[in-house]
Amino acid sequence: AQKITQTQPGMFVQEKEAVTLDCTYDTSDPSYGLFWYKQPSSGEMIFLIYQGSYDQQNATEGRYSLNFQKARKSANLVISASQLGDSAMYFCAMREVLTGGGNKLTFGTGTQLKVEL
Amino acid sequence: KAGVTQTPRYLIKTRGQQVTLSCSPISGHRSVSWYQQTPGQGLQFLFEYFSETQRNKGNFPGRFSGRQFSNSRSEMNVSTLELGDSALYLCASSYTRGGLEPAKNIQYFGAGTRLSVL
Repeated sequence: AQKITQTQPGMFVQEKEAVTLDCTYDTSDPSYGLFWYKQPSSGEMIFLIYQGSYDQQNATEGRYSLNFQKARKSANLVISASQLGDSAMYFCAMREVLTGGGNKLTFGTGTQLKVEL
Repeated sequence: KAGVTQTPRYLIKTRGQQVTLSCSPISGHRSVSWYQQTPGQGLQFLFEYFSETQRNKGNFPGRFSGRQFSNSRSEMNVSTLELGDSALYLCASSYTRGGLEPAKNIQYFGAGTRLSVL
């Protein structure tokens, strides 16, 4: 079974600084996908960034980048130039391909990020 | 392009009642998945539908069921509600394309339905 571990329940960062949110994973599948989602207090889960297990380069999407270290099984999210609007819960997730031909996401417990002035 | 739409946003029910939640996926998306989010258990996979067929189901009792219509819209039903069913129910859609590495199918979520069982 796949497992996602996020060890930081809460993080604080000053506005305009960079912050790294940690994520480690465990899987025996050779092919997998890693995702980061942002969940504001409104509840909607917003897709941020994706990293495939065979991707040679770290994924980037605007101010978001993923520090993918396959040998260490880590997929940390880096947010550059933090903004007040970045305050939210952040979830790391892994895509598991199921035997029925479908798939599901396995989520970590999340990191609550607070951006301060 | 419209996102995933879930209705209603909020629901209050009493124990023993049943409830139906609705999800309209992004246009062109054929796969719909449902997740339950609670403070104690976090985010847990309920089931996934593709082309009106349930492909997979998570570890939930039979009181939780769902279906998908020919237009890819999906509903989930919870019968005989219990206090522990109080949660945020999230629906996600993805574009499952033949030949595309399955792991690359990104799931886009709706805003969720917040269910309170009294």
